[in-house]
Amino acid sequence: AQKVTQAQTEISVVEKEDVTLDCVYETRDTTYYLFWYKQPPSGELVFLIRRNSFDEQNEISGRYSWNFQKSTSSFNFTITASQVVDSAVYFCALSEANFGNEKLTFGTGTRLTIIP
Amino acid sequence: NAGVTQTPKFQVLKTGQSMTLQCAQDMNHEYMSWYRQDPGMGLRLIHYSVGAGITDQGEVPNGYNVSRSTTEDFPLRLLSAAPSQTSVYFCASRLAGTALSYEQYFGPGTRLTVT
Repeated sequence: AQKVTQAQTEISVVEKEDVTLDCVYETRDTTYYLFWYKQPPSGELVFLIRRNSFDEQNEISGRYSWNFQKSTSSFNFTITASQVVDSAVYFCALSEANFGNEKLTFGTGTRLTIIP
Repeated sequence: NAGVTQTPKFQVLKTGQSMTLQCAQDMNHEYMSWYRQDPGMGLRLIHYSVGAGITDQGEVPNGYNVSRSTTEDFPLRLLSAAPSQTSVYFCASRLAGTALSYEQYFGPGTRLTVT
């Protein structure tokens, strides 16, 4: 069975500090997809990134970066120079890649608060 | 494109009442699914559909029914609401079949309270 663990329930940092959100996953599949979603206070889910299991390259998008390590089954998310607008709940998620299988497994989320 | 739409945004039900949460998408996505979000639990899959006429159960299907008569619509039915079904419900959709298609598009959510 798939499982996603986000051990950090809540994190608070002062604005402009860097912060890393941890995500550890479990799956028996050799092909799978990992995701990060942001849920701001308004409640909608905002897609941030998708990574497939064959691509271990780290990715950077502006102040956001992701570190994918299959050896430790981790897909961590770092925000550099945090801003108040980054305050949100962040979810890591895992999807099997079998055609016809829709199941997306979410972690329990990390609530990030950026203190101005 | 409107994307994924959900109605209503808010709903209060009494125990035992029935209702249908509506979900529609205009992106011609084959896959649609329903999740519920509870504090400390993340999002959990209720039911999903891989195309019109085909549905299957997710992680927490009890107390919910679905049907998929068209590609666009995927309603979620609560036949006899219980307080344990108080939650925020998200509908999602995505394309099928290609490596680039695994991004799910989520609706804005329906906040349901059962008293």
